[in-house]
Amino acid sequence: DPKIIQKPKYLVAVTGSEKILICEQYLGHNAMYWYRQSAKKPLEFMFSYSYQKLMDNQTASSRFQPQSSKKNHLDLQITALKPDDSATYFCASSRGGASYEQYFGPGTRLTVL
Amino acid sequence: QQKVQQSPESLSVPEGGMASLNCTSSDRNFQYFWWYRQHSGEGPKALMSIFSDGDKKEGRFTAHLNKASLHVSLHIRDSQPSDSALYFCAARASSGSWQLIFGSGTQLTVMP
Repeated sequence: DPKIIQKPKYLVAVTGSEKILICEQYLGHNAMYWYRQSAKKPLEFMFSYSYQKLMDNQTASSRFQPQSSKKNHLDLQITALKPDDSATYFCASSRGGASYEQYFGPGTRLTVL
Repeated sequence: QQKVQQSPESLSVPEGGMASLNCTSSDRNFQYFWWYRQHSGEGPKALMSIFSDGDKKEGRFTAHLNKASLHVSLHIRDSQPSDSALYFCAARASSGSWQLIFGSGTQLTVMP
């Protein structure tokens, strides 16, 4: 059974619209993360949460808003979508602490037209 | 400037051969290093971690870390076609943010 679930697998949106990417982890981890992978750049860190609290935000734009309704959930809301937002978005989780491995989900591939 | 640089960008080796991947960081705050592997259409999966100077061996995979030169390498012996994937070096500081800083990746192709 998959331990990190991301929904949907593929997402197509029009410029200016809003979408929510879903992430649930069943590894019992207290830290969760969002990363973005595009053709132009390597995997980029976006956010980290620990015990449902924002720890780090490396996203310059306020159009990206993480939402944690439960300890094992970390959704990503993206508003006013732009074609440059097209990328694969990965959710990850780990135990708390710098030396612990981060486990990645299968990703949501977002295309903005 | 990217904090974690990988080389080569792509690498082809014959089945049964040795693949060597390299990574250099520019931040001396990095204390923890991982090698991740990503198959097409999947998320990255950690292969192994290395935190101390020297070699670490796990099966066919050997990682090497030299903190003085900020250099990490991964060697895959007896390469298999199933090893064909995108390999990332990732680094993290011991304090502060838990974010992983990824290199740009090495595309490995193992030819049958």
